[in-house]
Amino acid sequence: DAGVIQSPRHEVTEMGQEVTLRCKPISGHDYLFWYRQTMMRGLELLIYFNNNVPIDDSGMPEDRFSAKMPNASFSTLKIQPSEPRDSAVYFCASSSGTREQYFGPGTRLTVT
Amino acid sequence: GQQLNQSPQSMFIQEGEDVSMNCTSSSIFNTWLWYKQDPGEGPVLLIALYKAGELTSNGRLTAQFGITRKDSFLNISASIPSDVGIYFCAGRSPIQGAQKLVFGQGTRLTINP
Repeated sequence: DAGVIQSPRHEVTEMGQEVTLRCKPISGHDYLFWYRQTMMRGLELLIYFNNNVPIDDSGMPEDRFSAKMPNASFSTLKIQPSEPRDSAVYFCASSSGTREQYFGPGTRLTVT
Repeated sequence: GQQLNQSPQSMFIQEGEDVSMNCTSSSIFNTWLWYKQDPGEGPVLLIALYKAGELTSNGRLTAQFGITRKDSFLNISASIPSDVGIYFCAGRSPIQGAQKLVFGQGTRLTINP
């Protein structure tokens, strides 16, 4: 079975540009999570969805960040405009009900 | 917010040695998880613990849910080169809810052959 799929794996962009990260959760999973990983702050939960509905976005850093889940098999995390401090690895994870989360391979974002 | 204190931050050991790392919190958790992250990959779940005092093994890995519900440890016996990576503890607390995980800062394991 395919795991969580994320694209792109690497993204390099200039400050001020819009960045869109994509995630396909494991089929049948009803929860989807977006995390950010940095050396300074470790793994942080940004937002999570249940049945395509955002449940908790308290971890989203600021209004420049937005996330959508238009259907059960696709989610996006958008940063507009991007800043150098947004450079990090962004992970998507999914889970089914009360079972544990499976992580994707991540997108390494570099903002210059 | 809640934090997990994971130690040690890094370990340098010889192949074949046993490894022990732990995670502590000032508040109680009702789930403890241990993940491993290889370079360029996402965390992979190793062991999940759901009851205070629970001791669970997965091959050469053994983890325990502390009786106070504020700590957990992970042991790796007879380490091999593929054990290299970063190990994270994660917890689920009654306060944060069933879906939110809090992660430790990680233990980076390096093995000298």
